[in-house]
Amino acid sequence: DADVTQTPRNRITKTGKRIMLECSQTKGHDRMYWYRQDPGLGLRLIYYSFDVKDINKGEISDGYSVSRQAQAKFSLSLESAIPNQTALYFCATSETGAGNTIYFGEGSWLTVV
Amino acid sequence: QKEVEQNSGPLSVPEGAIASLNCTYSDRGSQSFFWYRQYSGKSPELIMFIYSNGDKEDGRFTAQLNKASQYVSLLIRDSQPSDSATYLCAVKRDDKIIFGKGTRLHILP
Repeated sequence: DADVTQTPRNRITKTGKRIMLECSQTKGHDRMYWYRQDPGLGLRLIYYSFDVKDINKGEISDGYSVSRQAQAKFSLSLESAIPNQTALYFCATSETGAGNTIYFGEGSWLTVV
Repeated sequence: QKEVEQNSGPLSVPEGAIASLNCTYSDRGSQSFFWYRQYSGKSPELIMFIYSNGDKEDGRFTAQLNKASQYVSLLIRDSQPSDSATYLCAVKRDDKIIFGKGTRLHILP
């Protein structure tokens, strides 16, 4: 089983719909992240959280919200999806210290039509 | 200026040769530097990280860091077709990990 699990792995949704991407981890890491990846634009940080009570905006947080329900769970929501949010989304975790090496989930493909 | 810059490639290297991947960063306060490999449609996998000036070797991979020049590189010796992938440089700054856009590497059989 993957240490960082994302659900759903693939989703097609319509413009204006609310969609939630969920992430859970068994690595025991405090820090969790959401990134999106677009061709030619690399990985861009959406939100990150260093513990349950800590939520921080990343480079491209507009149109997104997050919830850190527990140390092991971090969900990303698109309140009203739009086509330019079509992308590959990655959840990731890291420990405090230890170089902050990031470990990624398998990714969630989201298509907004 | 982008925080982390990489040549997008593709970089084509003959099998068995040395592949050299480069990355520059803009913030002198950056603390740690990472190289990830990503196959198409898959998640990035850590190759290695470095935080001190100089070279760090791990098998066929060597990371090189020059903080004065704000430059980090990855050398892959004895390149194999399985090394064909996109290589992402990442930089830790203020507890955030910022990625470059990646360099596509193609190993020619």
